[in-house]
Amino acid sequence: SAVISQKPSRDICQRGTSLTIQCQVDSQVTMMFWYRQQPGQSLTLIATANQGSEATYESGFVIDKFPISRPNLTFSTLTVSNMSPEDSSIYLCSVEKNRGEETQYFGPGTRLLVL
Amino acid sequence: EDQVTQSPEALRLQEGESSSLNCSYTVSGLRGLFWYRQDPGKGPEFLFTLYSAGEEKEKERLKATLTKKESFLHITAPKPEDSATYLCAVHYGGATNKLIFGTGTLLAVQP
Repeated sequence: SAVISQKPSRDICQRGTSLTIQCQVDSQVTMMFWYRQQPGQSLTLIATANQGSEATYESGFVIDKFPISRPNLTFSTLTVSNMSPEDSSIYLCSVEKNRGEETQYFGPGTRLLVL
Repeated sequence: EDQVTQSPEALRLQEGESSSLNCSYTVSGLRGLFWYRQDPGKGPEFLFTLYSAGEEKEKERLKATLTKKESFLHITAPKPEDSATYLCAVHYGGATNKLIFGTGTLLAVQP
């Protein structure tokens, strides 16, 4: 498995502001992903964070709203921009340790409330 | 449409009362089916990966099985600490490692 930490663990933000969430892994990993889990719903993939290149976004998610960085093989950030109450959710980072392994391990999540 | 459906949505058991959770999927080219446990306020914790029909995996009181259309998570003699939401996810054909998650089964085991 992998030890994954996220900062902050939770936050309360005002609409129109932005929040950057950090994901740190204890070892180098090939793949990093960002998910959203809205209240009472399943996990939805936002994007794949690619090291050294632009993230790959899923349908319904755009870079202007959710810019992602991945400067190295152990760290990634997700920014939630120009927030609205609809962005209130849990944001989760996950990793795949080795290409082809397919099992994803998840961080503890960041619980975001937008007022 | 590729889809993952879990049932029941919620399940309440008495301690020691065995049962099964279901995950049915309609995807083409299944590359793996995953079970996770999620406690309130925490991220999903990996339990099992199943790759082909007929495969079984066990861990303590949990046993996961896979057919061509569904997977079962059998819980034998559950304890209160088994209370959690159990999530199923599938990884299907394609170049990306995209997982499709079900909405989960909320399990409550009463002492």
